[in-house]
Amino acid sequence: AQTVTQSQPEMSVQEAETVTLSCTYDTSESDYYLFWYKQPPSRQMILVIRQEAYKQQNATENRFSVNFQKAAKSFSLKISDSQLGDAAMYFCAYRSAYTSGSRLTFGEGTQLTVNP
Amino acid sequence: EPEVTQTPSHQVTQMGQEVILRCVPISNHLYFYWYRQILGQKVEFLVSFYNNEISEKSEIFDDQFSVERPDGSNFTLKIRSTKLEDSAMYFCASIGTQETQYFGPGTRLLVL
Repeated sequence: AQTVTQSQPEMSVQEAETVTLSCTYDTSESDYYLFWYKQPPSRQMILVIRQEAYKQQNATENRFSVNFQKAAKSFSLKISDSQLGDAAMYFCAYRSAYTSGSRLTFGEGTQLTVNP
Repeated sequence: EPEVTQTPSHQVTQMGQEVILRCVPISNHLYFYWYRQILGQKVEFLVSFYNNEISEKSEIFDDQFSVERPDGSNFTLKIRSTKLEDSAMYFCASIGTQETQYFGPGTRLLVL
């Protein structure tokens, strides 16, 4: 079974600074998807970014980018120019690409605080 | 932009009562999911549904849970006899061709 680990329960960053959230995963599969979801206080799950394992290029979405290290099974999220609205719980998630419609497996989450 | 919707947003029930949580997935999506999140914990998979049947379920999804797609738009999760430990946020999600799951806003269930 796949597992996802987020070793940082809490992180903080100053507004306009850059912060990196860590995620590692364990799998024996070679083809899969990785995601970062944001959960603000409303508790809605909002997709931030996704990465296909077969792609070597790191995904980027505006101020959000990932550092995907397949051999190390690491998938970190970098938030540049942090804004107050980035404050939220961030979840890393894994999904197998071998089975259509397979489940998401989530990490424990990292609570990000953005200080003005 | 299409989105997943869920009703009700909040539900309070007495232990032992039945509850039905409702979801309307994105219209052209084919796979539907239920997840739950106990307060302060990570999101856990309950069940996935495809072509009018369960495609996968977790160990959490025992006999007290059931899912149904009663018509062409709704997707429901029924908990037959609620327990205190069923108190959680329940998320519905659906997936389209891009293999990304989109989540609804959740139903906050409180069992007293």
